[in-house]
Amino acid sequence: EVHLLESGGGLEQPGGSLRLSCAASGFTFSSYSMNWVRQAPGRGLQWISYISKSGDTTYYADSLQGRFIVSRDNAKNSLFLQMNRLSDEDTAVYYCARDLLLPTGRLFDYWGQGTLVTVSS
Amino acid sequence: QSVLTQPPSASGTPGQRVTISCSGTSSNVGSNPVNWYQQLPGAAPKLLIYIYNQRPSGVPDRFSGSKSDTSASLAISGLQSDDEADYFCAAWDDSLNGYVFGTGTKVTVL
Repeated sequence: EVHLLESGGGLEQPGGSLRLSCAASGFTFSSYSMNWVRQAPGRGLQWISYISKSGDTTYYADSLQGRFIVSRDNAKNSLFLQMNRLSDEDTAVYYCARDLLLPTGRLFDYWGQGTLVTVSS
Repeated sequence: QSVLTQPPSASGTPGQRVTISCSGTSSNVGSNPVNWYQQLPGAAPKLLIYIYNQRPSGVPDRFSGSKSDTSASLAISGLQSDDEADYFCAAWDDSLNGYVFGTGTKVTVL
């Protein structure tokens, strides 16, 4: 069974940094691209970043302005999100989601339960 | 932040049919398949419909999707109380080189 478990969330001050992790199990992690998606309290979903199977290709939402870095360790079945220069606008639940690319299109087929990041002084 | 537009709410009585629209542009809905996600209260999103009208294993055939030009729709027939949730459409955007979500629609069963 596919399982994604995020961790690393918590309370951080504005201007600070946090590193989120996503532990994957139940599938061959190195065979799938991965994504991070966030959801601010009471708001909709926002795609944050994508990383390819090998980690050599990454994409980010323009609004992040280069503050976040996605990476992965296939040997440890883990996905990471380094978040820098945090602001209160980054307060959200952060989800990791598995990327499934079919001949007909791309979708996120499995999601973790999310980890809450709160940015506040 | 949301590039795809959905109505904020939709409702119906048990057994009724509810339709949710998703409006995009030529760079996303117009050129890439649309997926739909269901988010039950307090839970993570779950894939509901993919590549316009395909259903993952376990999703009842009461849920169906369609697409026309730069718009897509999700239909829920035989509405049940368990269907109360937020629903989001999504697609890859070729111009942004990223995945875009809809604004979300809250479905209420009256």
